[in-house]
Amino acid sequence: DAKTTQPNSMESNEEEPVHLPCNHSTISGTDYIHWYRQLPSQGPEYVIHGLTSNVNNRMASLAIAEDRKSSTLILHRATLRDAAVYYCILRDVRGENFGNEKLTFGTGTRLTIIP
Amino acid sequence: DAMVIQNPRYQVTQFGKPVTLSCSQTLNHNVMYWYQQKSSQAPKLLFHYYDKDFNNEADTPDNFQSRRPNTSFCFLDIRSPGLGDAAMYLCATSRDRASSYEQYFGPGTRLTVT
Repeated sequence: DAKTTQPNSMESNEEEPVHLPCNHSTISGTDYIHWYRQLPSQGPEYVIHGLTSNVNNRMASLAIAEDRKSSTLILHRATLRDAAVYYCILRDVRGENFGNEKLTFGTGTRLTIIP
Repeated sequence: DAMVIQNPRYQVTQFGKPVTLSCSQTLNHNVMYWYQQKSSQAPKLLFHYYDKDFNNEADTPDNFQSRRPNTSFCFLDIRSPGLGDAAMYLCATSRDRASSYEQYFGPGTRLTVT
């Protein structure tokens, strides 16, 4: 399975943008890049996903490098509610025989927001 | 508004005493998952149901079983809980198994084994 590497922790000031990096140098052409986050004492929550092009939604933006070996989750204006563990996960677009039915969580990045 | 509901939120059981955790969903999704998350670790998939088709992960202990009597409900049974089974148990659903579909998680049940 292609793996991801994320910093263990990051800090950011409230109301400033946050850039959360993820390295996935062994990504295959059939891997989607997914981001989930887990707020304290809650279940994980879907944030965004993409394949090749940059993606935006109401929660965040996902910037994918041209060679797809890295990506960055961008929170445009961090609030205290964004303090969470952020997981970058690769999921194969092919059938379930390739494990695409599961989310294989790594260690994630613990984001702290400073008021 | 609740979409994936887990009951109870906190469960205490005794060593070796069978326990059942429940999950229900209002999304009418085909797939339901059970993940185990131990303290300070990432969630790990135990098994999932695709409709009525049960799919076990290779390293899930035999002590863990699951039932899905209908689309809305799924149960996690731990036949003989050990101290090492103390964890947060997360239920999730997805419209389909394909990787383009997001998973929706419940709030989890925190299991304590005494």
